[in-house]
Amino acid sequence: QVQLQQWGAGLLKPSETLSLTCAVYGGSFSGYYWSWIRQPPGKGLEWIGEINHSGSTNYNPSLKSRVTISVDTSKNQFSLKLSSVTAADTAVYYCARGHNYGISPYYYYMDVWGKGTTVTVSS
Amino acid sequence: SSELTQDPAVSVALGQTVRITCQGDSLRSYYASWYQQKPGQAPVLVIYGKNNRPSGIPDRFSGSSSGNTASLTITGAQAEDEADYYCNSRDSSGNHLGVFGGGTKLTVL
Repeated sequence: QVQLQQWGAGLLKPSETLSLTCAVYGGSFSGYYWSWIRQPPGKGLEWIGEINHSGSTNYNPSLKSRVTISVDTSKNQFSLKLSSVTAADTAVYYCARGHNYGISPYYYYMDVWGKGTTVTVSS
Repeated sequence: SSELTQDPAVSVALGQTVRITCQGDSLRSYYASWYQQKPGQAPVLVIYGKNNRPSGIPDRFSGSSSGNTASLTITGAQAEDEADYYCNSRDSSGNHLGVFGGGTKLTVL
């Protein structure tokens, strides 16, 4: 059974860079979209971006200038960096495994999620 | 603002049937997926594709779609179904971006 284990710094100061890593255990790394999602306190889910095993990325346009998602296939890990953080970036950050396939209508869903990492930005 | 629109809150009497809807142009090209989230927990996938349930999801959960609207139906709602529910799809730009609905808070009375 595939599991995602995520880690990273939980307390940042404004202008610092958020860095989180997600490790994939018990399954293949290929053929999926490895995704990051966040949830500010009391609010809904926000899609941050994704990467596939070959390193192709897609980013939320509202965060694109500050986001980098990378992959290390040798370790079955993928990472999120978000630069120049502010209090508005305070959220629980989740990693997830995404699927996208088929013929219109296409299938797109995230079936395995990490437990989440709480990131607080405060001076 | 989200490209997928959900009602903020819905309530259902214990044992009754409730439908949670999600509207968006991208749903003409993509099946919606649905996630249940309870306080302090990560989201859990409950429906994906035309009407597929992951292993372990009770069969009282079902999905359907018509045009630009996807629906999650809970037939015989249980107290443990009280949670936030989010729909998810690609956006309608064609740029392969993900998007979530704003979420629906389900209260089981």
